[in-house]
Amino acid sequence: GAGVSQSPSNKVTEKGKDVELRCDPISGHTALYWYRQSLGQGLEFLIYFQGNSAPDKSGLPSDRFSAERTGGSVSTLTIQRTQQEDSAVYLCASTPNGRGSDTQYFGPGTRLTVL
Amino acid sequence: AQSVTQPDIHITVSEGASLELRCNYSYGATPYLFWYVQSPGQGLQLLLKYFSGDTLVQGIKGFEAEFKRSQSSFNLRKPSVHWSDAAEYFCAVGTSGGYQKVTFGTGTKLQVIP
Repeated sequence: GAGVSQSPSNKVTEKGKDVELRCDPISGHTALYWYRQSLGQGLEFLIYFQGNSAPDKSGLPSDRFSAERTGGSVSTLTIQRTQQEDSAVYLCASTPNGRGSDTQYFGPGTRLTVL
Repeated sequence: AQSVTQPDIHITVSEGASLELRCNYSYGATPYLFWYVQSPGQGLQLLLKYFSGDTLVQGIKGFEAEFKRSQSSFNLRKPSVHWSDAAEYFCAVGTSGGYQKVTFGTGTKLQVIP
């Protein structure tokens, strides 16, 4: 079946502009995660959605970052007033149930470059 | 809070040689442990995971990992490396209670030379 998809695959923007990154999880997966991958920094947790529960936003680095998940499926990560330090690969992952033993299924990522 | 340390940022091995990538974790209870691989331009893919039972776990592509509670380690091994194994490898620890809070290490980049 279809895996996790993300769009766009690449995004180049100017400092100060807003960007929206999209994630389509695997159908039926209740949990969805956003991560940021910067060079040499590993994966930085940003936000987590599980079913209809309130999202865990504890990893969002500033109030310029927000995310929503509509209808328990597609998610959009929005970065307002982008800064050069926001340049990174943004990864989305979904899991069947959000349990500790679940495998995370990752999308290919969106590479964001802020000029 | 849990944490993961991958002490080797970059490793180079010859094709056919054995490989061991190190991973140390910190977590108060029995952890869920994962190894993921990220090939160039690809998303992360699960290699193997441990959450109970036999401490030696077999994964895809001929990889295995051993959970050692006494050493808080979960090292990844492969007896004979292939050129296609060149990639970045991430160790991760997940919590065993509540929802899945997963913490990833900073990764080890593997280079394979002919």
